[in-house]
Amino acid sequence: TQLLEQSPQFLSIQEGENLTVYCNSSSVFSSLQWYRQEPGEGPVLLVTVVTGGEVKKLKRLTFQFGDARKDSSLHITAAQPGDTGLYLCAGPNAGGTSYGKLTFGQGTILTVHP
Amino acid sequence: EAQVTQNPRYLITVTGKKLTVTCSQNMNHEYMSWYRQDPGLGLRQIYYSMNVEVTDKGDVPEGYKVSRKEKRNFPLILESPSPNQTSLYFCASRALSYNEQFFGPGTRLTVL
Repeated sequence: TQLLEQSPQFLSIQEGENLTVYCNSSSVFSSLQWYRQEPGEGPVLLVTVVTGGEVKKLKRLTFQFGDARKDSSLHITAAQPGDTGLYLCAGPNAGGTSYGKLTFGQGTILTVHP
Repeated sequence: EAQVTQNPRYLITVTGKKLTVTCSQNMNHEYMSWYRQDPGLGLRQIYYSMNVEVTDKGDVPEGYKVSRKEKRNFPLILESPSPNQTSLYFCASRALSYNEQFFGPGTRLTVL
């Protein structure tokens, strides 16, 4: 089973600060996804990165896929209280059929204080 | 409204009493999956289904069963629940041609 390690597990910052969340593996992934989950709800897909070295931007969020496709990062600029939530990375597991098996990182709980 | 629904949302039961958590989607998605979420462990996949009558194990299938007799439904069955199955469960679905998964609202299960 391919594993994904996220860091940090917890992040508590003030509004306006920048932050980066990391998702690392010793295995190559064909793609990686980032999800955001709010309390009492299921995760919601933010982005999928597919190509090594790819950078995608979603307003103040910047996602990067490592050149070797073993890691990814999520950078938030000028964080706002509305960014508070659980951030999860996920990738298809080579052990499953055609993107059937999905592995998640353990998540990063982000709290942005006003 | 396109959605994934789960029932029940909350369930408290006792060890050994068989239970079923239902999952239904109205988006005509081929792929459906079940996950459990525990603090510090993220989401772990239990079972998934690529289409009707096609199911396969995820990373933590022990103690669970699933069936996919209809495209829209993917129930999760716990034949003999144990306290270590106390968790938050999510069902998800997606179209095979597209990688965005849509998650249900979750079912919080407590096994005493």
